[in-house]
Amino acid sequence: AQSVSQHNHHVILSEAASLELGCNYSYGGTVNLFWYVQYPGQHLQLLLKYFSGDPLVKGIKGFEAEFIKSKFSFNLRKPSVQWSDTAEYFCAVNAFNNDMRFGAGTRLTVKP
Amino acid sequence: ETGVTQSPTHLIKTRGQQVTLRCSSQSGHNTVSWYQQALGQGPQFIFQYYREEENGRGNFPPRFSGLQFPNYSSELNVNALELDDSALYLCASSLDPAYNEQFFGPGTRLTVL
Repeated sequence: AQSVSQHNHHVILSEAASLELGCNYSYGGTVNLFWYVQYPGQHLQLLLKYFSGDPLVKGIKGFEAEFIKSKFSFNLRKPSVQWSDTAEYFCAVNAFNNDMRFGAGTRLTVKP
Repeated sequence: ETGVTQSPTHLIKTRGQQVTLRCSSQSGHNTVSWYQQALGQGPQFIFQYYREEENGRGNFPPRFSGLQFPNYSSELNVNALELDDSALYLCASSLDPAYNEQFFGPGTRLTVL
């Protein structure tokens, strides 16, 4: 069955540190990949998505993600985090039957 | 800014009852998806509706059912409520079934006693 794994449950960084959040999925066919973010008190919102083409995808607020098909991974990165990046981050995969699978989420805390 | 709205915000029901949750889509979106989110977990896909037809379903029993109306608003119905149905129910609308520009609503918190 299709599944999504996010390796880190809670990540704590200082401002200006670099961020990488891991995401792996189990489905071997064609996939659409997403990262969503939920800021405190706000709705889930789309950070970035990959459907096809360049495997390095740029999203909002300086985030990017790299799709590595051979590793079934779609890791999220940001070179320098800010306090305002404190949020919960969810990786999601859409493989077939319009079934959208989310990971359990990674809570990011950025210390000022 | 998201235009997806959900009602009610909170709901308390007892085991065995039935509940209907409502969702109004973002303008221009023809696809609605429903998710269940338990505490500390990611959203779990319940089903998707596209142009008033169910267009994909996750691993949820038939007592979870839905409707999409001509104006693309949607309902989630849950029959014979169980304690484990207590969760946040999220509605999201998108431009198409491939989840392009999926916008989420604030959710309905359902508590089953």
